[in-house]
Amino acid sequence: NAGVTQTPKFRVLKTGQSMTLLCAQDMNHEYMYWYRQDPGMGLRLIHYSVGEGTTAKGEVPDGYNVSRLKKQNFLLGLESAAPSQTSVYFCASSWDRANTGELFFGEGSRLTVL
Amino acid sequence: QQQVKQSPQSLIVQKGGISIINCAYENTAFDYFPWYQQFPGKGPALLIAIRPDVSEKKEGRFTISFNKSAKQFSLHIMDSQPGDSATYFCAASMIPPNQGGKLIFGQGTELSVKP
Repeated sequence: NAGVTQTPKFRVLKTGQSMTLLCAQDMNHEYMYWYRQDPGMGLRLIHYSVGEGTTAKGEVPDGYNVSRLKKQNFLLGLESAAPSQTSVYFCASSWDRANTGELFFGEGSRLTVL
Repeated sequence: QQQVKQSPQSLIVQKGGISIINCAYENTAFDYFPWYQQFPGKGPALLIAIRPDVSEKKEGRFTISFNKSAKQFSLHIMDSQPGDSATYFCAASMIPPNQGGKLIFGQGTELSVKP
C-alpha cells in the first residue's frame, strides 16, 4: 500500500531557483493539502484542493503555486526560492468514508534554500 | 481567531507516568479536534479525535478531555512507554477534512519517555 508518496525526499536549492514537489496518492481521495513544518511553528497549510482542477489558498500561500490536473496528483511549485522557504513539506489527502476525518500524510520532502 | 495554541513545547516523562498535553483555541466555530502523532522522519498520523458534543474520548491508553466553555482540550497518555516518544500535534477545523475542511495545527509537543 503506497498511500501518499512525495518526491523528491531531499533537495537543495540556491536562492532564486525554481522547483516542483510532486505528491501522488492512490486512495482515490478527493481532498489534498500541502503543509510546511518548521520548528516551534507546527504544521501550516500552504494550499489545498477539494477536487480535481481546484485549488485554494491556505494560511501561508505566498511564494508558492499549486496545480491539481489529475485527481491523484497535487504539485507544489516554488518559482523563485528564498531561504525563508527552507522547511519540511508534507502532502496529505483525505476522504474517509468512515467519517473519521483522517488526513493521510506522506513522509515529507526536506528542502534547503541557500 | 484561527490559531490553536499548544503547550508545553517539550515534555519528559518517566516510563509508567502520565503525559499531559494541552491546547486552547479561540474560534467557537471549530467542531472537530484531532490529535496527530509524528515519529522522526515520518509524516504525522491520526491518533484520536473528538467532537464538541462529548467531554471525553478514550482509546486504549490515550484520552482526549474537552472543555467547551473554556475552549480547551487536552491529550492524556496513561502508563507512558518509551515507544510513545514522538511529537504530538493538536488540531482543529470547522469542517472535518473528509468534507473538505482545513485543519489548523498547534505548535507541537516533543514527548520523551525515559525508561
